[in-house]
Amino acid sequence: ELKVEQNPLFLSMQEGKNYTIYCNYSTTSDRLYWYRQDPGKSLESLFVLLSNGAVKQEGRLMASLDTKARLSTLHITAAVHDLSATYFCAVDTRNSGYALNFGKGTSLLVTP
Amino acid sequence: EAGVAQSPRYKIIEKRQSVAFWCNPISGHATLYWYQQILGQGPKLLIQFQNNGVVDDSQLPKDRFSAERLKGVDSTLKIQPAKLEDSAVYLCASSLDLTSTQYFGPGTRLTVL
Repeated sequence: ELKVEQNPLFLSMQEGKNYTIYCNYSTTSDRLYWYRQDPGKSLESLFVLLSNGAVKQEGRLMASLDTKARLSTLHITAAVHDLSATYFCAVDTRNSGYALNFGKGTSLLVTP
Repeated sequence: EAGVAQSPRYKIIEKRQSVAFWCNPISGHATLYWYQQILGQGPKLLIQFQNNGVVDDSQLPKDRFSAERLKGVDSTLKIQPAKLEDSAVYLCASSLDLTSTQYFGPGTRLTVL
């Protein structure tokens, strides 16, 4: 069974600070995704990482993938309040028909 | 481009009652997924369709849950009878094909009393 673990599960950080969210997965996967979910809203796709060493950046968020370590990171630079949300990583595999296996999510709160 | 549509957005029922959810995927998307998201957890796949065929329903509690995707477009998910532990958000997602990014609908929040 493919397991996806995120840490931390809860994160409170001040505006302007940097932090990293970690995502570990248990078996070889084809792709890794990062999604954002605002309270009461659905999931918004942020990044898709396809290969070892992949790095993608959008604004203050940067995601990377190390397939050998089965680890992805989501780095937040100079956080702002608008980034407050829950962030999920998810992986898919050919064996699972490319359905997504999600972590529990990291609830991020950015305070002044 | 219109996103994934779901209805209703909210539903409150008593245990042992029946309920049905509807999903209209993005036009042209062949693959459709239903996920269950329990409060504080990540979504969990219930069933996956490719056109009108089932790809994976291994995690669908088939004694009470059923789903169909007639004509390979809209889909309905039914629970009969509902249990307290079915309280969750039911998310529908669609993708162009099996290997493409999934786009999620707004979800249906179900409360079973």
